[in-house]
Amino acid sequence: GAVVSQHPSWVICKSGTSVKIECRSLDFQATTMFWYRQFPKQSLMLMATSNEGSKATYEQGVEKDKFLINHASLTLSTLTVTSAHPEDSSFYICSGQSGGLETQYFGPGTRLLVL
Amino acid sequence: KNEVEQSPQNLTAQEGEFITINCSYSVGISALHWLQQHPGGGIVSLFMLSSGKKKHGRLIATINIQEKHSSLHITASHPRDSAVYICAVRKGYGQNFVFGPGTRLSVLP
Repeated sequence: GAVVSQHPSWVICKSGTSVKIECRSLDFQATTMFWYRQFPKQSLMLMATSNEGSKATYEQGVEKDKFLINHASLTLSTLTVTSAHPEDSSFYICSGQSGGLETQYFGPGTRLLVL
Repeated sequence: KNEVEQSPQNLTAQEGEFITINCSYSVGISALHWLQQHPGGGIVSLFMLSSGKKKHGRLIATINIQEKHSSLHITASHPRDSAVYICAVRKGYGQNFVFGPGTRLSVLP
């Protein structure tokens, strides 16, 4: 199947700093990318959907000014957690989808710990 | 009530056992997916179903659209099958996933 990478896989930061997470589709063009958050022992929660070249669509309750999403190319989307707080500590997963295909290809996830 | 339910929540099996994980949903769907999340967090898409049955290696997935139910079967289970299995549906073409709560499977040697 198609490959999606995320970087970094682990990040520890101080409260108040910003953290950028990259999501890349390595062997396909991801016209749509999704960002999810997962707390321990819970299911995935969709944060936002982004289409290449357009503004992201955020799910209810997700602050767009806190979680900045950029999808500038068909192979790269970034999520920036601004002014991170300990409650932002979570596992962040991206996925990519090509055109109208149903299947999403998931990245390996980024574990964020805010101290 | 969640739109997608799974049972059981947790399952422990001995190596070699036949395993069934169930998913039921309460909405109309265009497709149902079975995902596997490894202990490290990575997610792999196992199957996408809109009707009938699919088989890949030791994994079999079935769906009954009328009954709004799907099952994932693992034959000859192995400790490396230990993971969380997630059922996810799309309510329509191009719509986002709605995820089930997951089933945590542990296969003991």
